[in-house]
Amino acid sequence: AQKVTQAQTEISVVEKEDVTLDCVYETRDTTYYLFWYKQPPSGELVFLIRRNSFDEQNEISGRYSWNFQKSTSSFNFTITASQVVDSAVYFCALSEVDNTDKLIFGTGTRLQVFP
Amino acid sequence: NAGVTQTPKFRILKIGQSMTLQCTQDMNHNYMYWYRQDPGMGLKLIYYSVGAGITDKGEVPNGYNVSRSTTEDFPLRLELAAPSQTSVYFCASSYTRRQGKNTDTQYFGPGTRLTVL
Repeated sequence: AQKVTQAQTEISVVEKEDVTLDCVYETRDTTYYLFWYKQPPSGELVFLIRRNSFDEQNEISGRYSWNFQKSTSSFNFTITASQVVDSAVYFCALSEVDNTDKLIFGTGTRLQVFP
Repeated sequence: NAGVTQTPKFRILKIGQSMTLQCTQDMNHNYMYWYRQDPGMGLKLIYYSVGAGITDKGEVPNGYNVSRSTTEDFPLRLELAAPSQTSVYFCASSYTRRQGKNTDTQYFGPGTRLTVL
């Protein structure tokens, strides 16, 4: 069965701190995709990254970086030098490659960055 | 491109009423999805469509119906609204190529906040 676990319900940090959001997934497929989405207080869902199961290279985009480790079934997200605008709920999601490409979401981690 | 648009943004229904949530995308995406997000939870799939004329149930389809008569539109129908359907509803779309194993990114609409009293 597919499952995504985000054990951290809420994290609070002070601006400029680094913060890591954890994501652990379960799947029986060898081919799958992992995603991170951001949901700011305004409510929309903003796509951040997509990673396929064959690409374990870490990725960095500005202050954001992602660490994908198949050995531990984890796809963690780190924000370096956090800013108040990073305050949002962050969702990790899994998609197995079938005829539907539907996403299985974790329950999200609410990040609050205080000035 | 407007992307994925949803109407209305907010709606309050009485128990037993019906309504249709509208979703339109202008990206010529073949796949479309409806999710619901309950407070403090992730999104759960209600229905999806892999192309015009084709729809299928997701994880939580009870109490809902969909249709896909065009590539652009994917309305979600609530019949006999119940308090358990109070939620935020998101429509999403993606362009998925079937030639190889590939999952494309789903892009989401702004959501419809529905309250059933």
